[in-house]
Amino acid sequence: NAGVTQTPKFQVLKTGQSMTLQCAQDMNHNSMYWYRQDPGMGLRLIYYSASEGTTDKGEVPNGYNVSRLNKREFSLRLESAAPSQTSVYFCASSELWGIDTEAFFGQGTRLTVV
Amino acid sequence: QQQVKQSPQSLIVQKGGISIINCAYENTAFDYFPWYQQFPGKGPALLIAIRPDVSEKKEGRFTISFNKSAKQFSLHIMDSQPGDSATYFCAASSYTGNQFYFGTGTSLTVIP
Repeated sequence: NAGVTQTPKFQVLKTGQSMTLQCAQDMNHNSMYWYRQDPGMGLRLIYYSASEGTTDKGEVPNGYNVSRLNKREFSLRLESAAPSQTSVYFCASSELWGIDTEAFFGQGTRLTVV
Repeated sequence: QQQVKQSPQSLIVQKGGISIINCAYENTAFDYFPWYQQFPGKGPALLIAIRPDVSEKKEGRFTISFNKSAKQFSLHIMDSQPGDSATYFCAASSYTGNQFYFGTGTSLTVIP
């Protein structure tokens, strides 16, 4: 069971470059999320998708876009990377949002913007 | 504004000791409080969770204590082991809400 798979695991970008972080889950979950993790800041929600075909902004959406490609896949795009976007990015999925259900996280993507 | 406040930021405990991590919240609509454990280079994973209709939940060496009136909850790790060394996040959500709110994390180191 793969669970939640993120690619790539590491990436270095130059300021102004663009890239897409890929995420896929094989648990047939309806909801998927993108978080960023920074030292002392915890996990902050960037965007989420409660179900296929819907996306909503989280706490820190500026500079990012998302696409829920299908039920399995949820991608995060940085159109013009900035040093402030240096972070570890986690994708997660769960069956339903806001109910006592488990969120499953991927292994993370460590992004450095220089 | 941090919806869930977590302390301490870091914690060092001797093997066999008790590790205690505290969290506080303001939003009385929160009704689900999970704790996640994260090892270096890995994503967080659910450790234990509680709903506010009970004051305590225990799973093995891990216990959540919940004080609804004080809007506080804590994680207790009994007989702490070096393998428990990880970052711990508390979180909160509501049935009608649309996201989990995570604390800032506690880095736990258990010394052999």
